Amino acid sequence: EIVLTQSPATLSLSPGERATLSCRASQGVSSSLAWYQQKPGQAPRLLIYDVSNRATGIPTRFSGSGSGTDFTLTISSLEPEDFAVYYCQQHSNGLTFGGGTKVEIK
Amino acid sequence: EVQLVESGGGLVQPGGSLRLSCAASGFTFSTYAMSWVRQAPKKGLEWVSSFSGASDRTYYTDSVKGRFTISRDNSKSTLYLQMNSLGAEDSAIYFCARVLSGRYFDSWGQGTLVTVSS
Repeated sequence: EIVLTQSPATLSLSPGERATLSCRASQGVSSSLAWYQQKPGQAPRLLIYDVSNRATGIPTRFSGSGSGTDFTLTISSLEPEDFAVYYCQQHSNGLTFGGGTKVEIK
Repeated sequence: EVQLVESGGGLVQPGGSLRLSCAASGFTFSTYAMSWVRQAPKKGLEWVSSFSGASDRTYYTDSVKGRFTISRDNSKSTLYLQMNSLGAEDSAIYFCARVLSGRYFDSWGQGTLVTVSS
């Protein structure tokens, strides 16, 4: 099973700042990596799939990058609605999620 | 608009059973793989099971193999999860999700809470 490690666990930022979230895989996942956003009391929402493709309706301030075992979700300028928990997910070998990064208001 | 509505959760004693349902609308259900993903209280996401769209293939995470059974009724656009021999570790919100490209979850229901406790 591929283990996904997300860092940092918590990111404290102000609106307008840039957020950089990391997801590291225990082995290569090719391009089978996605990112989700989850707000309290809500279901997750797909943001990015296949490393860098934005899902339908996702704003351009969200972008994904990386390859092999190291991946990044970048939010170019945080909006108030972006404060949430973010999960990465792979489906290259089995299907696993990372432990999540909470983006909180500083 | 894609809608997924789960039901069937509740409080069950250890060793008991529950059957979850997910009613789908707004898309051609039979052509999509569907999955169950769970989230224990204050914890992260865990994939549970998937049912392919093009065939009758099913997939399970190791911890539920032999206890859970996923099924679907395309005539009713409904996905099911039969859960037997439930333990405290199965307590979670169970989300139904549509599968994109065989690998990702592009639409989610609101979830149904399963609590296993005596």
